Amino acid sequence: LAKTTQPISMDSYEGQEVNITCSHNNIATNDYITWYQQFPSQGPRFIIQGYKTKVTNEVASLFIPADRKSSTLSLPRVSLSDTAVYYCLGDSGAGSYQLTFGKGTKLSVIP
Amino acid sequence: EAQVTQNPRYLITVTGKKLTVTCSQNMNHEYMSWYRQDPGLGLRQIYYSMNVEVTDKGDVPEGYKVSRKEKRNFPLILESPSPNQTSLYFCASSLRAGGPNEQFFGPGTRLTVL
Repeated sequence: LAKTTQPISMDSYEGQEVNITCSHNNIATNDYITWYQQFPSQGPRFIIQGYKTKVTNEVASLFIPADRKSSTLSLPRVSLSDTAVYYCLGDSGAGSYQLTFGKGTKLSVIP
Repeated sequence: EAQVTQNPRYLITVTGKKLTVTCSQNMNHEYMSWYRQDPGLGLRQIYYSMNVEVTDKGDVPEGYKVSRKEKRNFPLILESPSPNQTSLYFCASSLRAGGPNEQFFGPGTRLTVL
């Protein structure tokens, strides 16, 4: 099971690209890396998931280097509505099925 | 609509009075779990279930019980609640345990134990 470490908070201006990095030094071979977004008093919502290299969808990109010990969530041109807490999660493909979310990164977008 | 539902959404109770928070999903998911969220501590998994009649402890199982008698339901039971169990609770489900997967979360249950 991958334990994850992220910055506690980040600030960004509207329209900028935001990159949030997560370290998962003990990630297992079968682990996928998943990112979630959470607004206050709501349940987390899936953003993007990947195993290696780069994954892109309509809301974000996920960059995973070859050693897979970290990953970077990239949010292009953030708006005020992107203010939220972002969690990275290392799923386990085999062995333990326990999930550990960690403390997340609080992103504040400034007008 | 595919969803995870939790009831009640808000609950205020007193120490020692048994309570159950229900969770139900309509997506035929195998994997279900309960989390608690406290300020500064993020989401911590309490219990999880990989399928009917298969449950296991997460990071913080003390003081909680669960059961999985049907695939769609995964209730969280507090036999004797204490004030340190005051928290925001989330139920989640996913198609399976592990592998490429996403967790679908319920709306949360805010519990206050006096």
